Amino acid sequence: DAKTTQPPSMDCAEGRAANLPCNHSTISGNEYVYWYRQIHSQGPQYIIHGLKNNETNEMASLIITEDRKSSTLILPHATLRDTAVYYCIVRGPEEYGNKLVFGAGTILRVKS
Amino acid sequence: SQTIHQWPATLVQPVGSPLSLECTVEGTSNPNLYWYRQAAGRGLQLLFYSVGIGQISSEVPQNLSASRPQDRQFILSSKKLLLSDSGFYLCAWGGNYGYTFGSGTRLTVV
Repeated sequence: DAKTTQPPSMDCAEGRAANLPCNHSTISGNEYVYWYRQIHSQGPQYIIHGLKNNETNEMASLIITEDRKSSTLILPHATLRDTAVYYCIVRGPEEYGNKLVFGAGTILRVKS
Repeated sequence: SQTIHQWPATLVQPVGSPLSLECTVEGTSNPNLYWYRQAAGRGLQLLFYSVGIGQISSEVPQNLSASRPQDRQFILSSKKLLLSDSGFYLCAWGGNYGYTFGSGTRLTVV
């Protein structure tokens, strides 16, 4: 079962920041937070991941609370092409047999 | 760089017919490989994973099977398709930095 809770849907105006929340109150110390997105009829695309520090890459920023029980994915300037289902996933190290388990995700609709 | 290939992109098969979907990975050795399925309007469900040649683990009971005859080849099969096997099938390879997914096969069983 997925270990995260996300809102089912969100709307964002084009050009504004999209802030997608995720709750993972049962996260363990060695578990990472991953974010993926899936645009209609395509395979999921990796966005970003982190353990406890905030992370930023060319696509997004990941803010993890100090207690690690929640996180927020930030798309700084959302475009229409960012409309997709966004998945927040918690997973332990791959070498111990941990796999990515997808939940329902958040449908983000970017509107002009 | 690592790439993952899946084919075919779309497939329409009659009930009771066999199935073979192939996935190959380039640019990496001994990858962990995964098969996921996404039914219409639903989330992604992990079906099988493999950590090496001939090593297959099944996550859910079903009408499908998987095989890994070569290090970078992962095959999803069925002897007799059911209507409920329709869906979007995705292959992925992964490690500690997440998974890379193929472009998927959309299977319609009629």
